[in-house]
Amino acid sequence: RKEVEQDPGPFNVPEGATVAFNCTYSNSASQSFFWYRQDCRKEPKLLMSVYSSGNEDGRFTAQLNRASQYISLLIRDSKLSDSATYLCAVKGGSSNTGKLIFGQGTTLQVKP
Amino acid sequence: GAGVSQSPRYKVAKRGQDVALRCDPISGHVSLFWYQQALGQGPEFLTYFQNEAQLDKSGLPSDRFFAERPEGSVSTLKIQRTQQEDSAVYLCASTQGNEQYFGPGTRLTVT
Repeated sequence: RKEVEQDPGPFNVPEGATVAFNCTYSNSASQSFFWYRQDCRKEPKLLMSVYSSGNEDGRFTAQLNRASQYISLLIRDSKLSDSATYLCAVKGGSSNTGKLIFGQGTTLQVKP
Repeated sequence: GAGVSQSPRYKVAKRGQDVALRCDPISGHVSLFWYQQALGQGPEFLTYFQNEAQLDKSGLPSDRFFAERPEGSVSTLKIQRTQQEDSAVYLCASTQGNEQYFGPGTRLTVT
């Protein structure tokens, strides 16, 4: 079993839809959590860090559930420009060198 | 400001050749990471530097992979005797606080 797992999708949604992605992690000692966005043939770009209390940035909301060991990303009023792969990443645990463990990514395609 | 830069952006190597990939981190960033991203997968950790010290190389897939950062700034990832399974995008990231910022990557194709 992979340490960080995501549903690869693809998620195909119409413009304006609300879409949610989940990501589960296996190491309960994990300390920091992130969502990255990756466009085709580009590098991952940090979308947002995920805090225990949950956090929101415009149309994007991230939440952390430590008890169930998952993080989520909610995108409201999706735009064509939101089409990308969304990677969750987890840091920390026993080694604690700061390395990120990534899921395989969830592909979102927003259609007109 | 300037972000992380990597060169070359694309590299085609014949099987058995050696390659060297360069990373210029954001100025002043102490921590530097290398990741390997295969097609359709998330990035996978290779190695980590804090200044010039290589503190974790647990992700390097074989002894053909070697990384260095001799002066604590630019880093080089070297792959000797490349194999087809080495074909991937090699990403470098440097750290500001708790957050990692990635360079554009080097796409390596081994033929």
